[in-house]
Amino acid sequence: QKEVEQDPGPLSVPEGAIVSLNCTYSNSAFQYFMWYRQYSRKGPELLMYTYSSGNKEDGRFTAQVDKSSKYISLFIRDSQPSDSATYLCAMTGNQFYFGTGTSLTVIP
Amino acid sequence: DAGVIQSPRHEVTEMGQEVTLRCKPISGHNSLFWYRQTMMRGLELLIYFNNNVPIDDSGMPEDRFSAKMPNASFSTLKIQPSEPRDSAVYFCASSKGLAGLAYEQYFGPGTRLTVT
Repeated sequence: QKEVEQDPGPLSVPEGAIVSLNCTYSNSAFQYFMWYRQYSRKGPELLMYTYSSGNKEDGRFTAQVDKSSKYISLFIRDSQPSDSATYLCAMTGNQFYFGTGTSLTVIP
Repeated sequence: DAGVIQSPRHEVTEMGQEVTLRCKPISGHNSLFWYRQTMMRGLELLIYFNNNVPIDDSGMPEDRFSAKMPNASFSTLKIQPSEPRDSAVYFCASSKGLAGLAYEQYFGPGTRLTVT
């Protein structure tokens, strides 16, 4: 079993839609949970991070962590074409693990 | 700050040749990571250094891969001999702190390697 599982998509939504991206994990030692965004032919960049369980909001983006279910989510409200990218979840305890990424396209 | 700098940006080489990828981390960052990204396997951590010392190289796929960090501002990833299955995008990233606390990694633009 992989440490981190992420649906690769691709996911295609109309502009203005609410997007939900998810990851599951197996290691209960993970403490920091991150979402990275990667545009085509660029390196990933940190979008948001959450420590332990709970929610964190930043503008149109909300990150949720449910440690009891070992499940994390990223919600994007009022999605824009500029949000089209691959979104990678990542988590760390003693080591750092990335999900394989979900490709998102927001259609104008 | 210029960010993480990687060179070359593109590399095309023939099977059996030696390939050296280079990375300059962000000044003041004490952890450095090498990743490989492919469509099939996603982003894989190959090795990471803390204070120039290799901490975990369990992700290095074979003995053909080696990495060094002779000082805080420079690291290399070498593949010798290269094989077509090594074709991928190789990223270098840097951060402050140890990997377990390095929730914010800054990635370079990557080196796109093609081995024919």
